[in-house]
Amino acid sequence: DVKVTQSSRYLVKRTGEKVFLECVQDMDHENMFWYRQDPGLGLRLIYFSYDVKMKEKGDIPEGYSVSREKKERFSLILESASTNQTSMYLCASSFVAPAHEQYFGPGTRLTVT
Amino acid sequence: QQPVQSPQAVILREGEDAVINCSSSKALYSVHWYRQKHGEAPVFLMILLKGGEQKGHDKISASFNEKKQQSSLYLTASQLSYSGTYFCGTVPAAGNKLTFGGGTRVLVKP
Repeated sequence: DVKVTQSSRYLVKRTGEKVFLECVQDMDHENMFWYRQDPGLGLRLIYFSYDVKMKEKGDIPEGYSVSREKKERFSLILESASTNQTSMYLCASSFVAPAHEQYFGPGTRLTVT
Repeated sequence: QQPVQSPQAVILREGEDAVINCSSSKALYSVHWYRQKHGEAPVFLMILLKGGEQKGHDKISASFNEKKQQSSLYLTASQLSYSGTYFCGTVPAAGNKLTFGGGTRVLVKP
């Protein structure tokens, strides 16, 4: 079974803090993705990576950065958290993008106060 | 640009049928369907590639009309386990990013 894990299920941070969200997959997938999920807006792509040290902007990259130093790990960084970044963050991985299915992690509910 | 899903929500009785539609303003390479149950991660249902292919997953099937840039998901003889939010995702013919729609909430009642 493919497993995608995320470092925290719930996280509370203060405005201005630097926030790291970690994602690890165990299936040797080439591609990894970060989404945020907000009611009515579905899943919106923040960044994705198709190889180690490679990244590409998604639809809403502003205020975020990413890091992929190892194939199995993909980190999302909020340089200076703001209240409008309060959301559910989902990580996913896939073997070949975009034609293959994506496997999602359980999500991190981030609250910025 | 996100694909548009309709309806936004649907309530069914067990055994009833429903259709969820997904429309894009762009020419498409593929359409993906996922289901997310409350408190869980989205789970892949199926991918439809250019060519008008119809696929199925138990009693859930889907079609893809590439000329109209539309896909429909058919829930046939719905079961309680079909409850959740269904998302379509589209990949444009000239592109490599999967973009999800806003989701359709489905509630199946006994």
